[in-house]
Amino acid sequence: EVQLLESGGTLVHPGGSLRLSCAASGFNFNNFAMSWVRQAPGKGLEWVSSISGFAAGSTYYADFVRGRFTISRDNSRNIVYLQMNDLRVDDTAVYFCAKDQYNDAVRRVWNFDFWGRGTLVSVSS
Amino acid sequence: DIQMTQSPSTLSASVGDRVTITCRASQSISGWLAWYQHKPGAAPKLLIYKASILQTGVPSRFSGSESGAEFRLTISSLQPDDFATYYCQEYSSESRTFGQGTKLEIK
Repeated sequence: EVQLLESGGTLVHPGGSLRLSCAASGFNFNNFAMSWVRQAPGKGLEWVSSISGFAAGSTYYADFVRGRFTISRDNSRNIVYLQMNDLRVDDTAVYFCAKDQYNDAVRRVWNFDFWGRGTLVSVSS
Repeated sequence: DIQMTQSPSTLSASVGDRVTITCRASQSISGWLAWYQHKPGAAPKLLIYKASILQTGVPSRFSGSESGAEFRLTISSLQPDDFATYYCQEYSSESRTFGQGTKLEIK
């Protein structure tokens, strides 16, 4: 059974930093790209960042986080991270971890077939 | 960037109703479109991918269709468990843009 469990969300001041983790199990983690998606209070889903599986750690970012957030993965521990720096009030959201449905050996971008339940990041003074 | 325009934003319906949610892409996405169901506090759930392929385990009352740049999610006969928020998502580009969401409410 595929499981994705996010952790690390908390209250942080504007300008602060935070690292989110997503522990994965139930599938061959190395083979799949992983992503972070967020949902601000009362808003819809918004893609944040992705990191490839087969394609040796290629990373992709939404414009609104590029230069502030860094996605990484530890394939030995089946964990994907999101390092969040220079946090802003409008980064307040539930952050979800999601798995691509197919591996990226054939095609780089897929839909998500499994998601975690999210971790809440609150940025406030 | 690709824009996904989803409508309606809210839909009120009754158990047994047939409902349709629409998503329009700002440019060709070659059918690379998924639909998700999301309930508060839960993980989003994949319903449909590649515009019309039903994900394993999803009830057959859900279906997806495509006509040019317009995509539709249809629920043929609403069940109590279906009241949730639904999102489309394009995955033809790295930005994997979501629609704004449709909240399906009980009438």
